[in-house]
Amino acid sequence: QVLLQESGPGLVKPSETLSLNCNVSGGSITNYYWTWIRQPPGKRLEWIGYIYNNGRPNYNPSLTSRVTMSVDTSKRQLSLKLTSVTAADTAVYYCARGWGISTSLDSWGQGSLVTVSS
Amino acid sequence: DIQMTQSPSSLSASVGDRVIITCRASQSISAHINWYQQKPGKAPKLLIYAVSSLQSGVPSRFLGSGSGTDFTLTIYSFQPEDFATYFCQQSYRIPYTFGQGTKLEIK
Repeated sequence: QVLLQESGPGLVKPSETLSLNCNVSGGSITNYYWTWIRQPPGKRLEWIGYIYNNGRPNYNPSLTSRVTMSVDTSKRQLSLKLTSVTAADTAVYYCARGWGISTSLDSWGQGSLVTVSS
Repeated sequence: DIQMTQSPSSLSASVGDRVIITCRASQSISAHINWYQQKPGKAPKLLIYAVSSLQSGVPSRFLGSGSGTDFTLTIYSFQPEDFATYFCQQSYRIPYTFGQGTKLEIK
């Protein structure tokens, strides 16, 4: 059974860079769409993007200029970086595993709350 | 972006009720829709993928259906553990988008 666990600072200052990691234990790390999603307080889930087999990532166009995703298969670790953050980036950030024709997200991390505040 | 609109936004139900949640896409998404359940403070859990396929371990009282732009999630014989918020998600076109959620509460 695959387990995903996010880690990173819970507080980031405005204009700085948000950095999160997601450790993947159990299961294969290849042939899946490793996905980041966020959920601002009281709002709907927002898809940030995915990376497949350490290839070219696909990002939400609304975040493309600020986001970078990568996968380190040797460490079994995903990473997310979001630059120039504002209060609007305050959210619970999830990593998840996507698969199949409908790219459904069948395994999720527990989520990491990141607050952007000075 | 493809907009996903769920209805209702909230619903009160009793144990044993049949509950129907609908999700409408702003354009055709073929069969690229998934449904998730989220309980407070927890990550979403996949229930249904590709319109109607039941995720492993999910009770058979959950049923997905629909096509094109209109989809439904039906819960037959609602159980106490089903009180949660339910989201639809389209994976037809990037950016993948989610519905606003349907919160099921106890009547």
